[in-house]
Amino acid sequence: DAMVIQNPRYQVTQFGKPVTLSCSQTLNHNVMYWYQQKSSQAPKLLFHYYDKDFNNEADTPDNFQSRRPNTSFCFLDIRSPGLGDAAMYLCATSRGYRGGGGNQPQHFGDGTRLSIL
Amino acid sequence: AQRVTQPEKLLSVFKGAPVELKCNYSYSGSPELFWYVQYSRQRLQLLLRHISRESIKGFTADLNKGETSFHLKKPFAQEEDSAMYYCALRKKTGANNLFFGTGTRLTVIP
Repeated sequence: DAMVIQNPRYQVTQFGKPVTLSCSQTLNHNVMYWYQQKSSQAPKLLFHYYDKDFNNEADTPDNFQSRRPNTSFCFLDIRSPGLGDAAMYLCATSRGYRGGGGNQPQHFGDGTRLSIL
Repeated sequence: AQRVTQPEKLLSVFKGAPVELKCNYSYSGSPELFWYVQYSRQRLQLLLRHISRESIKGFTADLNKGETSFHLKKPFAQEEDSAMYYCALRKKTGANNLFFGTGTRLTVIP
């Protein structure tokens, strides 16, 4: 089945120790997104890649970075995780069109739950 | 700025009863509205979108621009409908970003 795969499902890291979360997709979608979801809160978009173009949300902390080496893979790097970064991180993909018209729904992965010690 | 409000965090109904999950939005432009559902231990998945005007698993949702609402309805709830439901908004132009509400956890009581 074509899908969005996130690894690992659970990640534990130490305060201040860099961590990378990964996302891959077999849908051949040109847009990939990273959301952060804290307990009892709505998923919040951190950034997205539209093809190779990186789009950062204005309020995404500098601590969060992303890489997209090819269409299939996208990584979320947290340079110095703090306790407030403990959350579920969701990757999503969609087929997007320039100008916004005809954009397709987003498909989500299972998420990676990040814990900070 | 855009905002999506789901006023009920928790909603419980009996099996066979009608269910309505409320969603209100604020956005100065013309949005697209979606309902996403997350069943226990499963990923977030699209339930329906307003432009499709479809009924999925017995659920419907009508975009009311006058009331800026996109409530999700089902006439007869089933136990398998128990899940977390998120209303989401996407601007029709520009970025493809989704803005989510905080979600409503629906429990259908047998």
